[in-house]
Amino acid sequence: ETGVTQSPTHLIKTRGQQVTLRCSSQSGHNTVSWYQQALGQGPQFIFQYYREEENGRGNFPPRFSGLQFPNYSSELNVNALELDDSALYLCASSLAKTSNYGYTFGSGTRLTVV
Amino acid sequence: AQSVTQPDIHITVSEGASLELRCNYSYGATPYLFWYVQSPGQGLQLLLKYFSGDTLVQGIKGFEAEFKRSQSSFNLRKPSVHWSDAAEYFCAVALSGGYQKVTFGTGTKLQVIP
Repeated sequence: ETGVTQSPTHLIKTRGQQVTLRCSSQSGHNTVSWYQQALGQGPQFIFQYYREEENGRGNFPPRFSGLQFPNYSSELNVNALELDDSALYLCASSLAKTSNYGYTFGSGTRLTVV
Repeated sequence: AQSVTQPDIHITVSEGASLELRCNYSYGATPYLFWYVQSPGQGLQLLLKYFSGDTLVQGIKGFEAEFKRSQSSFNLRKPSVHWSDAAEYFCAVALSGGYQKVTFGTGTKLQVIP
């Protein structure tokens, strides 16, 4: 059973740039969620994708967008990067779009915006 | 809006001692409840989850948690802590039904001393 893999592990970008983060979900999982974890904080829900469609969104601006592909892998795109976007971005996959199952998390992508 | 409170930011225990990490939630109904652990530089690992039924839940690595509806609490316990338990612990809640938005607490960092 493969876990959730994220790439890259670390990334440094300049304010105003765009970034794409990638996630391969655990085998058999059809739902992917993205979270932002700022230093010293708990993860904050960005959005969830279920069968290639956005299934829910947290309190993040439209410059945060995503995709899910037929193989259930996913991308998180952030446009017009701001310094406050510096955080650990976590991808989590699950078997269902509802809350019945716990997530399987990846190790995250550490994004630094300078 | 739902919220999760972990009142202890840091806890230090001696190896072999017992551990209790506190978690209180604010929700309109009984939510799904989770505890996750995060080692430095890693993603989150699910320790245990509560949906319904027996209010004492057993998890991995010898952890257990007790749901107390009257106190809106879901405290995590372990009878004897090992040095490898040093990590950050997150309590999380989610609404039953709907998409899987999980709200995390701010975490409790556990230090284990020999």
